Amino acid sequence: AQTVTQSQPEMSVQEAETVTLSCTYDTSESNYYLFWYKQPPSRQMILVIRQEAYKQQNATENRFSVNFQKAAKSFSLKISDSQLGDTAMYFCASSTSGTYKYIFGTGTRLKVLA
Amino acid sequence: NAGVMQNPRHLVRRRGQEARLRCSPMKGHSHVYWYRQLPEEGLKFMVYLQKENIIDESGMPKERFSAEFPKEGPSILRIQQVVRGDSAAYFCASSSKSPGQGAGNTIYFGEGSWLTVV
Repeated sequence: AQTVTQSQPEMSVQEAETVTLSCTYDTSESNYYLFWYKQPPSRQMILVIRQEAYKQQNATENRFSVNFQKAAKSFSLKISDSQLGDTAMYFCASSTSGTYKYIFGTGTRLKVLA
Repeated sequence: NAGVMQNPRHLVRRRGQEARLRCSPMKGHSHVYWYRQLPEEGLKFMVYLQKENIIDESGMPKERFSAEFPKEGPSILRIQQVVRGDSAAYFCASSSKSPGQGAGNTIYFGEGSWLTVV
């Protein structure tokens, strides 16, 4: 069975600094997708970044980038130049190619400090 | 291009009442998914529907919960005889293609419906 583990319940970072959120996963599948979602106080689920497992290049979206280590089954999210609006819960998720079930981690609560 | 629309955003029900949550997928999307988020937890899959069909309801509790996606109108998640443990956020998501059709497994979430049972 697929599992996703986020071992950091809470983190904080100073505005303009860089922070890395950890995520590990376990799957026996060869083709899958990994995601980071942001859930701000409004509670909406916002897709931050997506990685396809067969692509070795790490995905990047503006200030957000991932460090995808396939052999180690690690998928960390780096947020550069942190902004106050980045304060939110961040969820890591995985999905096997050809399925529709996302497996979510328990989340990391990130607080950006002014 | 409107996103996934859910209503109501907040719903309060007394124990034993029924809760109905509605979801209109993004325009052009015919695949709908419901997820539940219990307090301080991640989202968990409940059910996958296409128009007039339930494809997978393996994540739905066996009793009191049902879902439909009629030919016309929104998808409905119905919870009968609610109990306090049903208090949660219920998220709907949609996609334009079924998984495996090249959509890259990306689904788009609505803003959620928060059910509080008192």
